Parts: sequence; structure tokens; C-alpha cells
Amino acid sequence: AQSVTQPDARVTVSEGASLQLRCKYSYSATPYLFWYVQYPRQGLQMLLKYYSGDPVVQGVNGFEAEFSKSDSSFHLRKASVHWSDSAVYFCAVSYNYAQGLTFGLGTRVSVFP
Amino acid sequence: EAAVTQSPRSKVAVTGGKVTLSCHQTNNHDYMYWYRQDTGHGLRLIHYSYVADSTEKGDIPDGYKASRPSQENFSLILELASLSQTAVYFCASLGLGGRAEQFFGPGTRLTVL
Repeated sequence: AQSVTQPDARVTVSEGASLQLRCKYSYSATPYLFWYVQYPRQGLQMLLKYYSGDPVVQGVNGFEAEFSKSDSSFHLRKASVHWSDSAVYFCAVSYNYAQGLTFGLGTRVSVFP
Repeated sequence: EAAVTQSPRSKVAVTGGKVTLSCHQTNNHDYMYWYRQDTGHGLRLIHYSYVADSTEKGDIPDGYKASRPSQENFSLILELASLSQTAVYFCASLGLGGRAEQFFGPGTRLTVL
């Protein structure tokens, strides 16, 4: 069965600092890969996705992610965070995205001024 | 703007009672999903649907039924609610092609006492 590991439950960063959130997946083939963000008391919003091609994908709000087949990873990055980036970030995968997503446990990001 | 709404937004139920959670989408999407989120954890897929009058089991279907009476509506039914079903439930819809993004509703917080 496919699985997703986000090793960091919580990350604290200062405003203006860079951010990297780690995600590793376990699956025999390259799945569809996603990053979602959940703001307090809201549903999830997709930041970016990867299907194939250029391993670095750009998303919304200055986020980007890099896929590594050799490492089975899909890490999320942002060069300079803002206080509004405080949220929970989920990595998700799917072999057939129409059949639903498998989510990691999430990483709670707190940005301090 | 794609929209997924859920009702109720919050509910308290008694153990052994019947609970129905409703989801409505105006995205004209064929695919709909129900996930549950437990405190501090990611989302897990309960049921999904490709088309009206048809539902499929997800990863954790036990104790839940689903109903898709129309393209726009997708319900999750707990025939005999249990304490372990206390969670936040999210509905999502997906339209193939384009960004292939699942759009999530705001969630329903269910507490079973």
C-alpha cells in the first residue's frame, strides 16, 4: 500500500526566513504528488502538484516543490515566509488521483515576526 | 469559483444514533469524496463516487455508508454512530482535466457522545 511520510510534525520559522518541508512516499511507481495547505478552521487548498516532466514545480504564493525519483521525495520550499503562511501543510499522493488521495500526517508551520 | 459546501458545519450526536452529513458542489464535477480527519492527523478516504447513484469504498469504509443521489450531492451516513467516529469530515470534488485539483469543503466537526 502506498504511504506518505512527513517527518516533521512542527516547524517554527521567523518571518522572512526560508522554509523547507519534507515529504517521502512509498510506492512502486511514481505517483501523482500534491501539496495542500490547511488554514485554521478551513478546508484544504492545493498549493501545487507533480505528474511528470520538470522535477521542480511552481505553486501558488511563492511555493515550489522538487520531485526526486531516486529519493522518493517531494519536498516543499519557500524562499521567504510571511506570517500568513502559518498553517498545516499536507503532502499527498495518488496512483490514480480519481480514486482519492493518501495524505501524510501534516506539518504545522508557525511563522513568528 | 469552484464551490463545495457542507452541512451541518458542526454536530453533536449520541452513540448509536443515525447521522447524515451532506455535501453539495456547484463545480459540475463528476467525482466526489468523503475524508475524515482526526486531531493532529492527515485525511483518510472513506468513500468516493464517480457518478450519480454509484459509490465506491475508500480506505476506511467500515461504519459508514455513502449516497450520491445526483451529480451535485453526496452524503455520508453513520447508521450507528460510535465514539470513535468523532472527527472532522471533509467533502471534496474533482473534475478531470485542467488542473485536476480536488476542491475541499470547509468540513463538518462531528462529536459523538
